[in-house]
Amino acid sequence: GAVVSQHPSWVICKSGTSVKIECRSLDFQATTMFWYRQFPKQSLMLMATSNEGSKATYEQGVEKDKFLINHASLTLSTLTVTSAHPEDSSFYICSANRENDQPQHFGDGTRLSIL
Amino acid sequence: QKEVEQNSGPLSVPEGAIASLNCTYSDRGSQSFFWYRQYSGKSPELIMSIYSNGDKEDGRFTAQLNKASQYVSLLIRDSQPSDSATYLCAVIMFSGGYNKLIFGAGTRLAVHP
Repeated sequence: GAVVSQHPSWVICKSGTSVKIECRSLDFQATTMFWYRQFPKQSLMLMATSNEGSKATYEQGVEKDKFLINHASLTLSTLTVTSAHPEDSSFYICSANRENDQPQHFGDGTRLSIL
Repeated sequence: QKEVEQNSGPLSVPEGAIASLNCTYSDRGSQSFFWYRQYSGKSPELIMSIYSNGDKEDGRFTAQLNKASQYVSLLIRDSQPSDSATYLCAVIMFSGGYNKLIFGAGTRLAVHP
């Protein structure tokens, strides 16, 4: 069964709206979770690493003020896309692993469409 | 140079044949390697992980790792149409002070009946 749960699966909203995506590890505690973005026909690009109890680490080129990450507990990380615009439309996927060098398990992803 | 490189394909094989997917990586210090399968519109699912040189078999799948050549591959025996998907090679690399999972662009596999 799934070990990482992501919600919602689909979001369609107007430009300027802020959207929150939740990622939960279901049967283990994850001090670190990861957020990826995937545009059509492209590979997954790491956006940021979410660290429980501390600030997220963002990849180069990712605006931390636009993509707010909160990792308030050992089983929950949230990504908020603030003031979303059509160019933010993408497939957002979170992942977590039990140990640092172990495989990452992915949530089902959130397809975000900004009109 | 890309950190993880894969041939984008598509790789087309007949049903029942062996599909061979290849991947090279740039960080000689990497120790952990993974193959994920991604169906269109879905998130990746883990197929294989490999950490040591040589072959690792799991059912119809065999992962091969050669750290000296910085090369990892995935063989799929008795390919089925349901294997048609994009296969992502992923490597853990130490960058910016911590471990990151870096994905290749993926190879699209098409298994035709």
